[in-house]
Amino acid sequence: DQQVKQNSPSLSVQEGRISILNCDYTNSMFDYFLWYKKYPAEGPTFLISISSIKDKNEDGRFTVFLNKSAKHLSLHIVPSQPGDSAVYFCAASESRNWGKLQFGAGTQVVVTP
Amino acid sequence: ETGVTQSPTHLIKTRGQQVTLRCSSQSGHNTVSWYQQALGQGPQFIFQYYREEENGRGNFPPRFSGLQFPNYSSELNVNALELDDSALYLCASSSGTGGSNEQFFGPGTRLTVL
Repeated sequence: DQQVKQNSPSLSVQEGRISILNCDYTNSMFDYFLWYKKYPAEGPTFLISISSIKDKNEDGRFTVFLNKSAKHLSLHIVPSQPGDSAVYFCAASESRNWGKLQFGAGTQVVVTP
Repeated sequence: ETGVTQSPTHLIKTRGQQVTLRCSSQSGHNTVSWYQQALGQGPQFIFQYYREEENGRGNFPPRFSGLQFPNYSSELNVNALELDDSALYLCASSSGTGGSNEQFFGPGTRLTVL
């Protein structure tokens, strides 16, 4: 039972433009949401998180938006850079224990010059 | 500071065999979580160890078992391997109380079951 869904397996965006990655979830008990980035042959690395009491969190070029009523979150990357080309995973947790995460299937982002 | 390391990088086993995967946590980290990532999927939580005790388990059968050692390194053991066990196995370590801080992932072990 997939509780976290990323319905876009891939996204292509031009350098300098905005990348928008979407994620939907079904479990209303999720309290924390995280985004990870993964390069080939490396483990996922943490990007940004948001708790369920907020609707926006920003860190440099990365902003995550949470819409609890729609059970939807999105990651905005502005401006997109070639080094952002990677697989992005949305993840969620029912508690502050970020070691027990439910992940989506990932979105492959390709940033073209 | 050494990051999270995993061994081996790759291995090939046949159905019915047993396998042990190893994870060295980052210095100062007391919690290790294991994930299975099948091709085209996101990582699936297997279990977590906090200070040598299992601290939660995902939807995996008992033939998936683990250990955490006093130095907080960890092993994942899989018995009676099945073809569907072919996947990338990731471990992640973190500090704090049972995963309350950011977790850092290792590069993974690619297991192929023939």
